[in-house]
Amino acid sequence: ETGVTQSPTHLIKTRGQQVTLRCSSQSGHNTVSWYQQALGQGPQFIFQYYREEENGRGNFPPRFSGLQFPNYSSELNVNALELDDSALYLCASSRDVNTEAFFGQGTRLTVV
Amino acid sequence: QKEVEQNSGPLSVPEGAIASLNCTYSDRGSQSFFWYRQYSGKSPELIMFIYSNGDKEDGRFTAQLNKASQYVSLLIRDSQPSDSATYLCAVKVLSSNYKLTFGKGTLLTVNP
Repeated sequence: ETGVTQSPTHLIKTRGQQVTLRCSSQSGHNTVSWYQQALGQGPQFIFQYYREEENGRGNFPPRFSGLQFPNYSSELNVNALELDDSALYLCASSRDVNTEAFFGQGTRLTVV
Repeated sequence: QKEVEQNSGPLSVPEGAIASLNCTYSDRGSQSFFWYRQYSGKSPELIMFIYSNGDKEDGRFTAQLNKASQYVSLLIRDSQPSDSATYLCAVKVLSSNYKLTFGKGTLLTVNP
């Protein structure tokens, strides 16, 4: 167990809908990153939050947005869902930006 | 040129053998290097990290880093069927806000 918790574990949404995924970071960790993993691919970086501020963003459209709260937990929001958004969404927390990252169990999102 | 490259495999070894997994990276500014194990349908699990040139051993696992050759490897001694999984190589770079950049992963199968 990494101490990183994601919810929900599975989700089915309809194209065009909006979704919010949640992540509780490990105690003592101030950095949370989100990744999207399509089948057969490595995880792709979406964005990173450090002490409640966005600290880097990958090549994802603005309909992917996020937040980090004072307790360092985080949310990933995706608007106007597309079929290609179907993937495993992974949250990782780390003690600091340059230290090792530990993943939660992931959220499997299916868009139909 | 892909930032992090791995042979996709599958790599098949007999039980008890040494499994050797390789990874090359393109950014000379890469500062930290990670190996994650991912079982089918699960999230990545951190098994090794290495920051300096040379070898780092942890139980049956040895990570090797050669920054001059931009090469990092993972050796698994006394391979067990439970080691069968996809192994993801990842790097962090200061200039990219220390986001994790992953390879596509190598599928390892250990045959009893």
